[in-house]
Amino acid sequence: GAVVSQHPSRVICKSGTSVKIECRSLDFQATTMFWYRQFPKQSLMLMATSNEGSKATYEQGVEKDKFLINHASLTLSTLTVTSAHPEDSSFYICSPLGGVADNEQFFGPGTRLTVL
Amino acid sequence: KQEVTQIPAALSVPEGENLVLNCSFTDSAIYNLQWFRQDPGKGLTSLLLIQSSQREQTSGRLNASLDKSSGRSTLYIAASQPGDSATYLCAVRNSGYSTLTFGKGTMLLVSP
Repeated sequence: GAVVSQHPSRVICKSGTSVKIECRSLDFQATTMFWYRQFPKQSLMLMATSNEGSKATYEQGVEKDKFLINHASLTLSTLTVTSAHPEDSSFYICSPLGGVADNEQFFGPGTRLTVL
Repeated sequence: KQEVTQIPAALSVPEGENLVLNCSFTDSAIYNLQWFRQDPGKGLTSLLLIQSSQREQTSGRLNASLDKSSGRSTLYIAASQPGDSATYLCAVRNSGYSTLTFGKGTMLLVSP
C-alpha cells in the first residue's frame, strides 16, 4: 500500500502554544488530503478536506482559524493547531488521496497531541 | 447523511475461533467499502477494499463480503490468533473523491 508519514508522532505542549503536524505521502501524489481526529474510544471524525493549492473545506463545528491547513504541494500537507487548549488533546491522522488505483484510502500513523 | 454501524462493539474469543464482524450502512449508494485495523495508539491499516460492484474480497485469513442492496458488510476472520487483537473499523465512501464515513469499530481480543 501507499506510504504515508506523519511528524511528530507525539507532542506535548503548554496551553496557548501552537503545534504544527506534517503529513507526507511518500510514493504518490496526493491531490486531496483529509485530516481526521480521534478521541479516546471513538472513531475517526473528519475535520477538513484540502485540495492541493486550494483552501481547505472544514466540517461543521471545526474552527478554521484554530486548525490551519496548508496543502502547498502534492506530497506535503500541514495541520497547525493554534493556541492549543487541553480540549484539543487528541489523536490527529492524515489521509492523502489521489493517484491510487480504485481509490483505496491510506492513513498516516497519527500524531498524539497532549495539551497541558 | 450516511451512517455506519458496527456490531458488536467488543468481542473476546479464544484463539483458533472463526469470527464475524458486522457492518451496516444507511445509504446503499456507495462507491466502495474498506475494512481497517487499528492497533492502540496507532494509525489505520487497510485490510480489504470492496468496490460497489464486487461481492467479496479475500486476503489470507480475512474475507469481506458486501451486500450493497441491504446495506451490509461482514468481515470474516478464520482461525483467529492473539495477533489479531485490535479494533476493526468499517468505512464507506459514497463517491469517487468523497471522504470515508467510519463506524465506531469492533474491539477484538483474542486470548491464547
